[in-house]
Amino acid sequence: GENVEQHPSTLSVQEGDSAVIKCTYSDSASNYFPWYKQELGKGPQLIIDIRSNVGEKKDQRIAVTLNKTAKHFSLHITETQPEDSAVYFCAASKPGRRALTFGSGTRLQVQP
Amino acid sequence: AAGVIQSPRHLIKEKRETATLKCYPIPRHDTVYWYQQGPGQDPQFLISFYEKMQSDKGSIPDRFSAQQFSDYHSELNMSSLELGDSALYFCASSSRTEISSGNTIYFGEGSWLTVV
Repeated sequence: GENVEQHPSTLSVQEGDSAVIKCTYSDSASNYFPWYKQELGKGPQLIIDIRSNVGEKKDQRIAVTLNKTAKHFSLHITETQPEDSAVYFCAASKPGRRALTFGSGTRLQVQP
Repeated sequence: AAGVIQSPRHLIKEKRETATLKCYPIPRHDTVYWYQQGPGQDPQFLISFYEKMQSDKGSIPDRFSAQQFSDYHSELNMSSLELGDSALYFCASSSRTEISSGNTIYFGEGSWLTVV
């Protein structure tokens, strides 16, 4: 089955700096890669997603890049703010199996 | 916009008891997923339903069962509860037919199950 690896497990940045989280996936058939933000005791909230026919997608301070050949995708957050502090999960799914396989999560802490 | 609704939000059960969690998907969503998330862990996929039929199965224990009803809500039934079943259980939903959503999966706020 699909295996998603996520790095780093924890990330601390100063307010205003950029944060980058990286994920790799094992199944070349995967074609959908969402990113979720999860605050303590809450459900994962979709923040951005990318499909395999696109190499990069941006939404304000958040961007995701996908390298299908290398089977990795990354989340970029610019101009970080304290409210960006949370656990971020990457995930992958493939046609025919729409359930998501999650990475292990990255705890991002933005220091004011 | 309406979100995925889960109930109850918190549940405390004793070992060997039974628990039932309910999920109401986003209106017009036809697919429901159940995930289990232990403390400090990533969500683990349990089972999913599309149009009231089981569509995929993950790491759901045999003690657990689930179904999706005609109104698309879903219930996760957990029997012979064990201490290790204590976790946050998420329901998520998506739509295969709504092109605009592109099968994007949205999560509810979760149900906390504590087994004592």
